[in-house]
Amino acid sequence: QKEVEQNSGPLSVPEGAIASLNCTYSDRGSQSFFWYRQYSGKSPELIMSIYSNGDKEDGRFTAQLNKASQYVSLLIRDSQPSDSATYLCAVSSMNSGYSTLTFGKGTMLLVSP
Amino acid sequence: SQTIHQWPATLVQPVGSPLSLECTVEGTSNPNLYWYRQAAGRGLQLLFYSVGIGQISSEVPQNLSASRPQDRQFILSSKKLLLSDSGFYLCAWSRAATGNTIYFGEGSWLTVV
Repeated sequence: QKEVEQNSGPLSVPEGAIASLNCTYSDRGSQSFFWYRQYSGKSPELIMSIYSNGDKEDGRFTAQLNKASQYVSLLIRDSQPSDSATYLCAVSSMNSGYSTLTFGKGTMLLVSP
Repeated sequence: SQTIHQWPATLVQPVGSPLSLECTVEGTSNPNLYWYRQAAGRGLQLLFYSVGIGQISSEVPQNLSASRPQDRQFILSSKKLLLSDSGFYLCAWSRAATGNTIYFGEGSWLTVV
């Protein structure tokens, strides 16, 4: 059973702080990693994807990947109240020769003004 | 640009009634298509995925079925709903290649009463 683990939270940070979200996965063969943001009652929307070890930055967001430790994280700098949402980590896995995504249960982030 | 539409947005159905959720993708051809379910307190669960017309793979045995009658149309059905079928159903698509990003539709809230 391929698993993706996330702390359910909530993670509470003040406005302007750095939020750090973490994720571990079990399938060593995974090659693609994604972070989605999901507002309450809405569908998930893609924030970032990362495929190689190291850091990838996009605006206020930085994704970090360490395949040896099977660990991926998302940093949100200068957190805003509008960042309050559930963040889903997703990891690719192969099923019968086709790639699908396995999702963690998500970490709820609360940014207080 | 590519868009994905899913309907109906919400529905309340009695136990034992049938179900039909539809999804269409525009702006791309031969997409991979997916149905996910998100139940309260649980992560996103992959129900079905399809790599082509008439090609459906099921991830979880249950009383749901999926069909792909056209290249960009994906349908989720049930002949008799159970209480446990309640949840947030999400259609999604990706380009026909391994490890590509999955994009979600707006979702359908199903309450079985």
